[in-house]
Amino acid sequence: AQSVTQLGSHVSVSEGALVLLRCNYSSSVPPYLFWYVQYPNQGLQLLLKYTTGATLVKGINGFEAEFKKSETSFHLTKPSAHMSDAAEYFCAVSRYGNKLVFGAGTILRVKS
Amino acid sequence: EAGVAQSPRYKIIEKRQSVAFWCNPISGHATLYWYQQILGQGPKLLIQFQNNGVVDDSQLPKDRFSAERLKGVDSTLKIQPAKLEDSAVYLCASSLGTGGKSPLHFGNGTRLTVT
Repeated sequence: AQSVTQLGSHVSVSEGALVLLRCNYSSSVPPYLFWYVQYPNQGLQLLLKYTTGATLVKGINGFEAEFKKSETSFHLTKPSAHMSDAAEYFCAVSRYGNKLVFGAGTILRVKS
Repeated sequence: EAGVAQSPRYKIIEKRQSVAFWCNPISGHATLYWYQQILGQGPKLLIQFQNNGVVDDSQLPKDRFSAERLKGVDSTLKIQPAKLEDSAVYLCASSLGTGGKSPLHFGNGTRLTVT
């Protein structure tokens, strides 16, 4: 069965600093990987996804993630944090024919 | 395109009462999902429909939860009777495909409080 581990339930960065949110997955076959963002009182919105091809994936709002098979990781980064990035971020994994499994989420706080 | 619509946004009930949630997916999306999101946790799949057939309901507490998708479009999720531990946000999502690659489009959810 697939599973997702997000390291750090809360991450705090200063405005303009690098954002790094960590995600490790377990899957016995090549996975499909996703990052979603959730703003308060809203549903989840897709940031980016990896299915096949290039392992460095660019998403919306300046975020990107790199699929590293050897490390079973799919960490999310953004070079410069903005106040509007404050939200909860979820990493998720699926594979062909299987349901999407979410991690527990990481709340990102951006300090001015 | 119009997004996934859910209603109501908030619901407060007493334990042992019943409650129903409604979802209208994005037009043309054959797959519909209901997720339960408990505070501090990631969303957990309750049930997945492909058109009006059930694909996965392995984590649906069938003694109290039921869901249907009539005519392969709108869906309702019902809880009867509710327990305190059912307090959560119930998210509806839809996608074009079911192969695992298709991203999910989520509604804003229904926040249920059971007292």
